[in-house]
Amino acid sequence: DSGVTQTPKHLITATGQRVTLRCSPRSGDLSVYWYQQSLDQGLQFLIQYYNGEERAKGNILERFSAQQFPDLHSELNLSSLELGDSALYFCASSVDLGQGAYEQYFGPGTRLTVT
Amino acid sequence: SQKIEQNSEALNIQEGKTATLTCNYTNYSPAYLQWYRQDPGRGPVFLLLIRENEKEKRKERLKVTFDTTLKQSLFHITASQPADSATYLCALPSGGYQKVTFGIGTKLQVIP
Repeated sequence: DSGVTQTPKHLITATGQRVTLRCSPRSGDLSVYWYQQSLDQGLQFLIQYYNGEERAKGNILERFSAQQFPDLHSELNLSSLELGDSALYFCASSVDLGQGAYEQYFGPGTRLTVT
Repeated sequence: SQKIEQNSEALNIQEGKTATLTCNYTNYSPAYLQWYRQDPGRGPVFLLLIRENEKEKRKERLKVTFDTTLKQSLFHITASQPADSATYLCALPSGGYQKVTFGIGTKLQVIP
């Protein structure tokens, strides 16, 4: 158990709909990262928050948005869903290993299926 | 642009042998490199980090090397076991605060 929690575990929805994925980082971790992993694809970085502020943005579609709340949990909102959005969505938080290096702890993921 | 290359083909190896996985990168000058393990349908799990001034790092049956001249890291699992079967990802810092980029991973299958 990494200490990072994600809900829900599975989500099945129709094209055009909107969903919200939720993540709570490990206790004490200020960073939250969101990744998308499609079938046979690598982990694609979407967005990172640190203590409520957006810190880095990856290949995140305009239909997707995220935020980190004062209690440090984060939500990833996916709207106007398309079949191609079906994927595993992972959240991670990080711990400082010193000298600019960080280790990421991943949650169990949310499997999104768009039908 | 920055690129991380891992052999996307699966690696099959006999139990007890040493598995060697490769991570090559271009257009990076990373201060460190990480290896993660990912089981199907689960989140990646951190295994090892090696810094640019370290040639080799060991942890139990795992060994990682880092050659910044060749821009390559090798990941070895000695005395491999079927439980080592998983996908192994390398990751490099890629700008942004605490941000890393992951390779596509190499799937290792250890055959009993």
